[in-house]
Amino acid sequence: EPEVTQTPSHQVTQMGQEVILRCVPISNHLYFYWYRQILGQKVEFLVSFYNNEISEKSEIFDDQFSVERPDGSNFTLKIRSTKLEDSAMYFCASSLRVKSGANVLTFGAGSRLTVL
Amino acid sequence: GENVEQHPSTLSVQEGDSAVIKCTYSDSASNYFPWYKQELGKGPQLIIDIRSNVGEKKDQRIAVTLNKTAKHFSLHITETQPEDSAVYFCAARLSNAGGTSYGKLTFGQGTILTVHP
Repeated sequence: EPEVTQTPSHQVTQMGQEVILRCVPISNHLYFYWYRQILGQKVEFLVSFYNNEISEKSEIFDDQFSVERPDGSNFTLKIRSTKLEDSAMYFCASSLRVKSGANVLTFGAGSRLTVL
Repeated sequence: GENVEQHPSTLSVQEGDSAVIKCTYSDSASNYFPWYKQELGKGPQLIIDIRSNVGEKKDQRIAVTLNKTAKHFSLHITETQPEDSAVYFCAARLSNAGGTSYGKLTFGQGTILTVHP
């Protein structure tokens, strides 16, 4: 069964450092997403991406965050200068299409980010 | 924006019993309600979903019901098995109405289901 692959599974970084989380979405999917889950809290939407541009973002997704699809297979989330509160599990997801009734998201296993 | 509340936060049942997890949502414009199962070390996996034009949907031992008037939906698992033990998340998605919100899911807090053999 096709799956969304995320790397690294766990990253520890110092506050202020840049972090890049990587995702390989399902190959024929066209829509890509990042969600995050702070320990003990809900899974929260960060950003959606289609046709090489951001289609929607939440208030969490401020100037410290950016997303990119550098080639035909990878989708990355960059945090420019990490803060303690960025510590969370980050989930990448992808979907085939957004037409109403057909947009099923497939999630990756997540990347746990710990900021010290 | 949309807000989804999920109960209970933990649920413990004996193998063979039924389990019910309930969610409420706040925005009547939501029209798609998926349920995800998350096992240890894995990402959320879709197990069943329901759209607002349907009141109930079944898939083997799993069913979801939706009450649009009351703005709540529930997951029912019958004849539970130990392998059903996981964290279950409900979610809701606003109708697109010309925008681009198809991928933006609002999640509930999650329910830790434990099925004892």
